[in-house]
Amino acid sequence: AQSVAQPEDQVNVAEGNPLTVKCTYSVSGNPYLFWYVQYPNRGLQFLLKYITGDNLVKGSYGFEAEFNKSQTSFHLKKPSALVSDSALYFCAVRGHGQNFVFGPGTRLSVLP
Amino acid sequence: DTGVSQDPRHKITKRGQNVTFRCDPISEHNRLYWYRQTLGQGPEFLTYFQNEAQLEKSRLLSDRFSAERPKGSFSTLEIQRTEQGDSAMYLCASSALAGASTDTQYFGPGTRLTVL
Repeated sequence: AQSVAQPEDQVNVAEGNPLTVKCTYSVSGNPYLFWYVQYPNRGLQFLLKYITGDNLVKGSYGFEAEFNKSQTSFHLKKPSALVSDSALYFCAVRGHGQNFVFGPGTRLSVLP
Repeated sequence: DTGVSQDPRHKITKRGQNVTFRCDPISEHNRLYWYRQTLGQGPEFLTYFQNEAQLEKSRLLSDRFSAERPKGSFSTLEIQRTEQGDSAMYLCASSALAGASTDTQYFGPGTRLTVL
């Protein structure tokens, strides 16, 4: 069965600094990996996905993620954080079929 | 607005009552998903439709839960004999079956259910 771990409940970063939100996964077969963001009182929004190809994936709002097969990780990164990036971030994996498994989420706080 | 819509946005019910939620996906999307999200957790997969066919259902899904997508467009999720543990946010998402956006799920705003 597939699973996703987000080891940090909360990540704090100063505005302008780089940010990393960690995700590790377990799945049989080739993983389909995703990052979603949830702002207060709003639905989940797609940020980026890895299906195949380059290990570095670029997505919305300047975010990117690096797929590392040997470490089974898919960390979300941004070179320079904005206060408006403060939100709840979810990593997800799809293995076989259409059963997507989401991690528990990481709350990102960007401090001015 | 051509995004995913859900109705109602909030539902308060008494234990033992039945409730039904509706989801209208993005019109050209063949795939439709239902999730449940409780506070402090990520969305939990409930079920998946491709057009009108319900192709996957979580093994954790109680028999009190049933979902339909009769014409391959909107979907309904019904919970019978609600229990306090059913209190959660119920999310609907849709995605395209093919093309560059396949597997990219677009989520609705959710229906928040409170069972008293």
